[in-house]
Amino acid sequence: DADVTQTPRNRITKTGKRIMLECSQTKGHDRMYWYRQDPGLGLRLIYYSFDVKDINKGEISDGYSVSRQAQAKFSLSLESAIPNQTALYFCATSDRDSYNEQFFGPGTRLTVL
Amino acid sequence: DAKTTQPPSMDCAEGRAANLPCNHSTISGNEYVYWYRQIHSQGPQYIIHGLKNNETNEMASLIITEDRKSSTLILPHATLRDTAVYYCIVRALNSGYSTLTFGKGTMLLVSP
Repeated sequence: DADVTQTPRNRITKTGKRIMLECSQTKGHDRMYWYRQDPGLGLRLIYYSFDVKDINKGEISDGYSVSRQAQAKFSLSLESAIPNQTALYFCATSDRDSYNEQFFGPGTRLTVL
Repeated sequence: DAKTTQPPSMDCAEGRAANLPCNHSTISGNEYVYWYRQIHSQGPQYIIHGLKNNETNEMASLIITEDRKSSTLILPHATLRDTAVYYCIVRALNSGYSTLTFGKGTMLLVSP
């Protein structure tokens, strides 16, 4: 079984809709991250969380919100989706002592029409 | 983070060793060399990291030159499943909470 899972894997939605992407991990890691990947732009950090009570904005947090429901669960919400949020979204985790060894989920391909 | 330079693409025959180079001439003394790969449309996968000694794990070996200005990732017996973009990243051990910068990487194509 995968250590980091994401649901849904693919989603097509319309402009203005609220969307939630979910991430679960069984690695026991404290740190969790949400990234988006666009062609030619690489990975960009949206939000990160050190633990359930510690959530921080990344470089592109506008238009997104997150919830850390438990150590193992970290959700990303788009309150009102817009077409330029069409991208591949990845959740990742890391141990508290090594931020640079991150373990990524399989990704969610989101299309906003 | 120190800048890295990698060839844009490489080819390798299945079963042969794939040697992926990375130049990081401005690396600082406290910076490690990390390698990740990303198979098409999948999440990036951590492979290995090292400071100055050679490292080996079940996936690959990492050879770092004595002056630490370059390194080579070695996949000893490449398979078709190793076709991916390989990224060399240089960062201090705990660099704070910034995005991992993957750059353009090397597209490795393993052929039958």
